[in-house]
Amino acid sequence: QKEVEQNSGPLSVPEGAIASLNCTYSDRGSQSFFWYRQYSGKSPELIMFIYSNGDKEDGRFTAQLNKASQYVSLLIRDSQPSDSATYLCAVRNSGYSTLTFGKGTMLLVSP
Amino acid sequence: ETGVTQTPRHLVMGMTNKKSLKCEQHLGHNAMYWYKQSAKKPLELMFVYSLEERVENNSVPSRFSPECPNSSHLFLHLHTLQPEDSALYLCASSQGLGMGNEQFFGPGTRLTVL
Repeated sequence: QKEVEQNSGPLSVPEGAIASLNCTYSDRGSQSFFWYRQYSGKSPELIMFIYSNGDKEDGRFTAQLNKASQYVSLLIRDSQPSDSATYLCAVRNSGYSTLTFGKGTMLLVSP
Repeated sequence: ETGVTQTPRHLVMGMTNKKSLKCEQHLGHNAMYWYKQSAKKPLELMFVYSLEERVENNSVPSRFSPECPNSSHLFLHLHTLQPEDSALYLCASSQGLGMGNEQFFGPGTRLTVL
């Protein structure tokens, strides 16, 4: 059973702080990793993807991948109230085209 | 219309009804997906189609029947559903299958089974 684990939260941070969202996965052969943002009542929206170990930055977002530890994280710098949402981690498993999703972490950014 | 659209956005049905969910993608993608999202559970993949051919069926009950007439349209036919089938049903599409193909989601259909 391939699993993706996330802390359900909520993770509460003040406006302007760095939010750190974490995800672990069970399939050591996983190839690619995605972060989706889902506002309440809306569908998931792709924020970032990462394939290689290390950091990948896009604006205020940084994805970090450590395949040895089977760990992927998303950092949001200068958090804004509009970042308040549930963040879903998804993993594409080796040999498969499909994604396995975590339950998501709810982020609350207070003004 | 752009992106991935789904109709209806909300649906209430009885256990004996038959209804269909529709998804259309305007992205020129070749793969389409149905997901189920229930409260407190991860997104569950139901079906995957690539070039109108079903490539994955994740042990979904037969009361859910997918149909993909072409690469732009995907349907989910529903019959004799159970109350536990109430959930948000999401359609997604991607350029193809494989590592570099990100999935883009439609707005979903909120289904309530009475």
